[in-house]
Parts: sequence; structure tokens; C-alpha cells
Amino acid sequence: GDSVTQMEGPVTLSEEAFLTINCTYTATGYPSLFWYVQYPGEGLQLLLKATKADDKGSNKGFEATYRKETTSFHLEKGSVQVSDSAVYFCALRGVSGYSTLTFGKGTMLLVSP
Amino acid sequence: DTAVSQTPKYLVTQMGNDKSIKCEQNLGHDTMYWYKQDSKKFLKIMFSYNNKELIINETVPNRFSPKSPDKAHLNLHINSLELGDSAVYFCASSHGEREGYFGPGTRLTVL
Repeated sequence: GDSVTQMEGPVTLSEEAFLTINCTYTATGYPSLFWYVQYPGEGLQLLLKATKADDKGSNKGFEATYRKETTSFHLEKGSVQVSDSAVYFCALRGVSGYSTLTFGKGTMLLVSP
Repeated sequence: DTAVSQTPKYLVTQMGNDKSIKCEQNLGHDTMYWYKQDSKKFLKIMFSYNNKELIINETVPNRFSPKSPDKAHLNLHINSLELGDSAVYFCASSHGEREGYFGPGTRLTVL
């Protein structure tokens, strides 16, 4: 079945540091890939997405590129802010039959001033 | 305007009770979902409805029964609550199989 693997957290960074959160997936065909963010006490918000190989999703300074050859969708940001502190989820929607979102386990990001 | 709303936000109850969580979306989406997030933040699909019809029913105890009176609403009723049901329950909606829009969650605590 489909699965998503994310790096364990928490990831602790200082403000303005470079962020990478690794995400790899297992799925047949070409799934759609997503990053969601969950701020403390809130629901999940879509951060960015990519629907085909080599697509780059971007939003609020975050980027991720759909790499079919490495089955990866790593999240990056050049300069993090304290307000980016949250839990980040990588997810995929498969192509077989009627599918729902399959999530990774989430990576907590803590940014200090 | 709230896109996906859930009530209540917090629910504290005793073991053995029956409770319901309501969800409404005003996005005009045709597909709605219930997800469960455990204490380690792991998210797992429970149910999916498309145009009021149950499409996906993951391995969830029969004590959980979803109901969709119309395309904009998907409620979750839980009978005979157990300690292990304590979690955050998220409702979500989407247009077909595109990305999901999530509600704020309902934190259920079973004592």
C-alpha cells in the first residue's frame, strides 16, 4: 500500500536558518504530493502541492520538488521565522481506485529567536 | 468565513457514553472525510463520503458511525466510548480527489 516516511523531529533551528524536512514515499504510478502545516491547537492547512514529476510547489517561502527518481518531496525554506514553528506533514494521494490522503507521521519544527 | 467547521471543539466524557461530533463545509465540495489524530500526531483516515455515499470505511470499530444528511454535512457518532478513543478528530472536505481542506479539530477526552 501507499506510505509516506518523514524525518523524525523535533527539528530545532535558530531564526533565519535554512530548513530541510525530508519526505520519501512509496506508491504506484504518479501520486499527488502535499505538505500540510499544523500550528499549535489548530487544524491542518495545505502549504503546497505538486501533482506530477519535476513540479515544484511553493508557498510562503517554502518549496518542495516532486522527484520521481528518488520518490522524494523534501520541504525547504531558505530563512525560517519563529512563526514557522509548527508540525509539518508530508502526504500523498494515490492513483489507484478512490484514494484518500496518506500522511507521514509529522515533523515538529521549533524556531528560536 | 469558515470553510470547514466542527462542533464541539472540546469534548470530555465518561467511558461508556455516546457522543456525536458535527461537521459542515461551505466550499461546495462533494467529498468529506473523518481523520483521527492520536497523541503522537499520527493522522489516519477513518471514513470518506462522496455525494452522501460511504466510499471508504477503514478498519474502524462498529461503535463509530458516520452520517451524511447532505453533501455539506458529515457527522460522526460514537457509541460506548472507550479510553482509547481519546484523540483529535478532524473533518475534511475536497472536490473529488484534490487536496483536502481540514476543520479545526475536535479534541475528545474519555475519562
